Amino acid sequence: GQNIDQPTEMTATEGAIVQINCTYQTSGFNGLFWYQQHAGEAPTFLSYNVLDGLEEKGRFSSFLSRSKGYSYLLLKELQMKDSASYLCAVRDWYGGSQGNLIFGKGTKLSVKP
Amino acid sequence: DSGVTQTPKHLITATGQRVTLRCSPRSGDLSVYWYQQSLDQGLQFLIQYYNGEERAKGNILERFSAQQFPDLHSELNLSSLELGDSALYFCASSATGTDYEQYFGPGTRLTVT
Repeated sequence: GQNIDQPTEMTATEGAIVQINCTYQTSGFNGLFWYQQHAGEAPTFLSYNVLDGLEEKGRFSSFLSRSKGYSYLLLKELQMKDSASYLCAVRDWYGGSQGNLIFGKGTKLSVKP
Repeated sequence: DSGVTQTPKHLITATGQRVTLRCSPRSGDLSVYWYQQSLDQGLQFLIQYYNGEERAKGNILERFSAQQFPDLHSELNLSSLELGDSALYFCASSATGTDYEQYFGPGTRLTVT
C-alpha cells in the first residue's frame, strides 16, 4: 500500500532551526517532493530529491534516504512567514512509467516570536 | 502567482447537484492535474491529462469526470454531489507531465449543503 507519515503539528521559535520528518512506504519510488502551503492557499514547490543525500536551497534543505524510506525538510533562520503546512509527497511508478504524486497529510508549523 | 487560473473561487451548491470547475494551465504547459483537498484526507490526486489525453487516474469517483480541451484548459465535472464532496479542488500544471515541478492554481472551494 501507499503510506506517507509526517507529524501533524510542530512549533518553533523565530530565528531557530526546525526539522520536519517524513517516512514513506510506496510500491514504487521516483522522487520525493516538499511543498509549502499557507492556509487557504495553493501549495508551492520547495524541493525535490531523487538521489540519497542533502539538497540545499537557501534557508531550506531537504534530505533523502531511499533505503530507509525517510526524508526531512530543514528550515533555518525561521521567520514568521514560514508558518504554514509542509507537505511531503512521493512520486510513484504507474503502469511501468513515472507516476503521480502521493501526498502526506502535511505538518502544520507554527513559528512563534 | 503561479500562472494557473481556476474558476470559480467559491461554489456553494446542494446535494444531488452537478457542478463544473474550470482550470487554465500556465502558458505553454501541456499537462494538467486535478487534486482534492479535504481536512481529513489531505491532498489527493484525482486525474491527469496531457495534451488532451487522459494520462493517469488516481482516487477519482465515478461521479466525477474531467476533460482537457484543444486550447489545453481543463474542466472537472462533479455530479450527484454529496456532503462529503465539500473540499478544496486544486488544478496544477506542468510543462511535459514528466517534469518534477507542478504549479498549483488558487483552488476552488466547493461547499455542498
